[in-house]
Amino acid sequence: DAGVIQSPRHEVTEMGQEVTLRCKPISGHNSLFWYRQTMMRGLELLIYFNNNVPIDDSGMPEDRFSAKMPNASFSTLKIQPSEPRDSAVYFCASGPGRNEQFFGPGTRLTVL
Amino acid sequence: GQQVMQIPQYQHVQEGEDFTTYCNSSTTLSNIQWYKQRPGGHPVFLIQLVKSGEVKKQKRLTFQFGEAKKNSSLHITATQTTDVGTYFCAGPIAGGADGLTFGKGTHLIIQP
Repeated sequence: DAGVIQSPRHEVTEMGQEVTLRCKPISGHNSLFWYRQTMMRGLELLIYFNNNVPIDDSGMPEDRFSAKMPNASFSTLKIQPSEPRDSAVYFCASGPGRNEQFFGPGTRLTVL
Repeated sequence: GQQVMQIPQYQHVQEGEDFTTYCNSSTTLSNIQWYKQRPGGHPVFLIQLVKSGEVKKQKRLTFQFGEAKKNSSLHITATQTTDVGTYFCAGPIAGGADGLTFGKGTHLIIQP
């Protein structure tokens, strides 16, 4: 089992550019979560999906952020336009339900 | 809104000493989960506690869920260098199906 796969692992971009982060959850898991981790704010839940449907996006910081899950094996988190304060590690996690969540290796985003 | 607080934020110990981190929620939790994140890594699930007053052990790690289901603790006996990392507690988001609210974590630093 490959676990949760995220790409890219590192992303450096300039302010104003569009950024797309990708996630492949563990096969069979029906919940998918996007988190953001910073030193100041810790680990924050941005949005989660259940059976490909967005359930709670109250953690999405602003309209510049959007997430999609077109099928059970793929999700994207998009930031457009990106800003320096978006610099963080973005984790995708999947889970079989109300139990443990399996985190991917994360994408370290730097916006210059 | 719901808050999950952890103390201490940082803990320095000598190798072989014990370590404890405490987690407190502003609301009653249906369950609590603990995760460990190694430096540069991603959170990894350790355990889930569900019952009031529950105590679970994993080798040198002891996890406890409070009687009121609003607090929890993780105790490590005789720390080893492999215990280095950040320990997070997480509780279900109030009203949310599967989303978790994470504490800020306790960073464990071990001096050999």
